[in-house]
Amino acid sequence: GAVVSQHPSRVICKSGTSVKIECRSLDFQATTMFWYRQFPKQSLMLMATSNEGSKATYEQGVEKDKFLINHASLTLSTLTVTSAHPEDSSFYICSARDLDGVLSYNEQFFGPGTRLTVL
Amino acid sequence: GENVEQHPSTLSVQEGDSAVIKCTYSDSASNYFPWYKQELGKRPQLIIDIRSNVGEKKDQRIAVTLNKTAKHFSLHITETQPEDSAVYFCAARRPGSQGNLIFGKGTKLSVKP
Repeated sequence: GAVVSQHPSRVICKSGTSVKIECRSLDFQATTMFWYRQFPKQSLMLMATSNEGSKATYEQGVEKDKFLINHASLTLSTLTVTSAHPEDSSFYICSARDLDGVLSYNEQFFGPGTRLTVL
Repeated sequence: GENVEQHPSTLSVQEGDSAVIKCTYSDSASNYFPWYKQELGKRPQLIIDIRSNVGEKKDQRIAVTLNKTAKHFSLHITETQPEDSAVYFCAARRPGSQGNLIFGKGTKLSVKP
């Protein structure tokens, strides 16, 4: 149980285009999902917290107009990188908490990540 | 906000030896401390976690200790094996209703056969 998927796993795009990444909780409902960015050989940096039915909460320094987050249902959150540039190339990982899970209440379940390369 | 420091950044041990990774956190209200193992290009995998009302937790070769007073927690891996080689991250859960995690910078563990 508690599986999180992401799509696509890899994407290559041209500079200036937009890319949408999907994060799905497959067997549980996630009222809250988290988006992280990880540059090579670095740690996971929290970008934003996505809340179902309301606006996302962005971390300091993360441009909300560039990284659009939509959490329209209890099992799906999307991150859209708008007008992507080469410096946006990174590994984007989502995670979710199963707040209804007794044994897994504390745990965050991570998606497999999306490797974005902007040419 | 919360800040998590992790040491060392790299650790090389001989197979069979023990490995210890240490983390400190800044926010005394943080109440949940997980450890993740990440292999190259893959998602972080939870290996053990501890809540603030517990001082130590063990799962086979892996143990975590927490010192709330000093605000530090450590990961202990005994009888290391080559497949333990990976990057390990500690994290602290920021207090609040959403409970997002703040990660340390990671430790690259290499276990030499």
